Amino acid sequence: GAVVSQHPSWVICKSGTSVKIECRSLDFQATTMFWYRQFPKQSLMLMATSNEGSKATYEQGVEKDKFLINHASLTLSTLTVTSAHPEDSSFYICSARDPQPTNEKLFFGSGTQLSVL
Amino acid sequence: KQEVTQIPAALSVPEGENLVLNCSFTDSAIYNLQWFRQDPGKGLTSLLLIQSSQREQTSGRLNASLDKSSGRSTLYIAASQPGDSATYLCALNTGNQFYFGTGTSLTVIP
Repeated sequence: GAVVSQHPSWVICKSGTSVKIECRSLDFQATTMFWYRQFPKQSLMLMATSNEGSKATYEQGVEKDKFLINHASLTLSTLTVTSAHPEDSSFYICSARDPQPTNEKLFFGSGTQLSVL
Repeated sequence: KQEVTQIPAALSVPEGENLVLNCSFTDSAIYNLQWFRQDPGKGLTSLLLIQSSQREQTSGRLNASLDKSSGRSTLYIAASQPGDSATYLCALNTGNQFYFGTGTSLTVIP
């Protein structure tokens, strides 16, 4: 199946710094990628839909200026948490659709655990 | 808006037992349904995908069913093993969006 690579797996940073998370589709082109946030023992919360070559679509309540998403190529989407604060500490996961239109399967990255001190 | 519920939230079974995980949804207008497994601190691994026109899918010891009319899907795990311990999530694809269930945390006791 398709492979989605997410990097880094974990990051610890000081409050006020920015953190960039990368999501790559390794063996297929992903015109659409999704970014999720997950709190302990809870399900995934969709943050935004990232579309190649255009602006991301953010879910209600997600701060666009706080969570910057760039999808500059068909294989790479990035999420930048700007001026991170402890409340941004969470598990972030990206996913991409299988490019085959009849399949529409989702493939996920391995996730990034962000800890803001 | 689609609402997806998974019951039970947590389940513990002895090794070797067969078990069923449930996924309920409120809107039958779906494109497909996918079952995932998530290990602690990891991403999601796709287990099975059922298209809207299908009733079930099988892979090894796993069997997933779909009944759109009743808004239900089940994941059947045969002869459970300790390595099956994980959180299982179902996800509905409406064509425009994906909706995730709340997950069932499974523990298989050796």
